[in-house]
Amino acid sequence: KQEVTQIPAALSVPEGENLVLNCSFTDSAIYNLQWFRQDPGKGLTSLLLIQSSQREQTSGRLNASLDKSSGRSTLYIAASQPGDSATYLCAVRPGRDDKIIFGKGTRLHILP
Amino acid sequence: DAGITQSPRHKVTETGTPVTLRCHQTENHRYMYWYRQDPGHGLRLIHYSYGVKDTDKGEVSDGYSVSRSKTEDFLLTLESATSSQTSVYFCAISGPRTGENTDTQYFGPGTRLTVL
Repeated sequence: KQEVTQIPAALSVPEGENLVLNCSFTDSAIYNLQWFRQDPGKGLTSLLLIQSSQREQTSGRLNASLDKSSGRSTLYIAASQPGDSATYLCAVRPGRDDKIIFGKGTRLHILP
Repeated sequence: DAGITQSPRHKVTETGTPVTLRCHQTENHRYMYWYRQDPGHGLRLIHYSYGVKDTDKGEVSDGYSVSRSKTEDFLLTLESATSSQTSVYFCAISGPRTGENTDTQYFGPGTRLTVL
């Protein structure tokens, strides 16, 4: 059974720092992996989706990498800003028609 | 914005009453999902639909039913609400849709349900 883990559960860093959020999954046979952001009291916003054949995806200051063999993905945030404060969730789709499986998220706080 | 709305956005109800939540999409996506989100549990799938009148259970489907009579609407019903169903409910959609094949999952704004 696929399980998705995000450690740490919470993280505080000073503004301007580059940071990495981690996501690990137990079964390397995945179809894709998606990173989301959730602001308090809001829904989830899709940030990046990486297909199983890809190694990374970039959008602005965000870069997500995928290493299926080790069961890991990282979300790199460059030059962090207070507006980046949110909970970041990783989700894995095991197969094309499978339901996606979420990690419990990392709550990020950027200190001004 | 993937053209997905939920109604109502907030609801307070009493134990034992029926409740229906509505998810509406304007993008013609094939798949629709209902999740609940609770502290300590994260997001859990309740039910999902892979087409009109085609639905299946998720990991926490007990006490919930769904219906999808047309592509754009996916209804979640609590037949007899209980306090354990107090939660935030999210609808999500994903592809494919007409003329496009997308795997990205998009979420609605959520419905905060309180069962007293």
